[in-house]
Amino acid sequence: DAGITQSPRHKVTETGTPVTLRCHQTENHRYMYWYRQDPGHGLRLIHYSYGVKDTDKGEVSDGYSVSRSKTEDFLLTLESATSSQTSVYFCAISETITSGPSTDTQYFGPGTRLTVL
Amino acid sequence: GQSLEQPSEVTAVEGAIVQINCTYQTSGFYGLSWYQQHDGGAPTFLSYNGLDGLEETGRFSSFLSRSDSYGYLLLQELQMKDSASYFCAARVYNQGGKLIFGQGTELSVKP
Repeated sequence: DAGITQSPRHKVTETGTPVTLRCHQTENHRYMYWYRQDPGHGLRLIHYSYGVKDTDKGEVSDGYSVSRSKTEDFLLTLESATSSQTSVYFCAISETITSGPSTDTQYFGPGTRLTVL
Repeated sequence: GQSLEQPSEVTAVEGAIVQINCTYQTSGFYGLSWYQQHDGGAPTFLSYNGLDGLEETGRFSSFLSRSDSYGYLLLQELQMKDSASYFCAARVYNQGGKLIFGQGTELSVKP
């Protein structure tokens, strides 16, 4: 299994508070991703990173920011949490994005279940 | 927009064969991946098609037809442990290798 951990695994917070989720990898992979998963929507990309300090928006980035100061860590911050951000958040990593399936496969972390009351 | 369509639910019996279809409408498409997810756990990679045709990995096979914007996952000799959600996901050029996921198909395997 790819070495990916997420913390915390579960969090309950209140509307309006800031929340930071952490993704940590031990694989030295260049690419990291944050997804959210909601019933009926599959997994949707929030933000991704293609290197240290290099990030870009995904399809559902409003209300979220990210930072990557080290290869191994990718942080997702909810600036002011809202109930619509209650979800399961998954981090993923991939070694490359070339056309080789053995290297550009995305591996997912265990997820963080976030509840915003 | 970019979207992938797959059936929401499929039911089959142990030992049978089941096919999960996926049609896609994406720009910059260069391949189709399949992931399995048990009970909200981490999605795990099953198969990838970068070219048209069939890819076989043990009991699982995946097929892609670019001209039809269509693919499928074929599961043979179904086992109870195959009960899970299955997602097709399109890989897109020049966007950080991002995946666009379908909504998932929940497979129930009955004895």
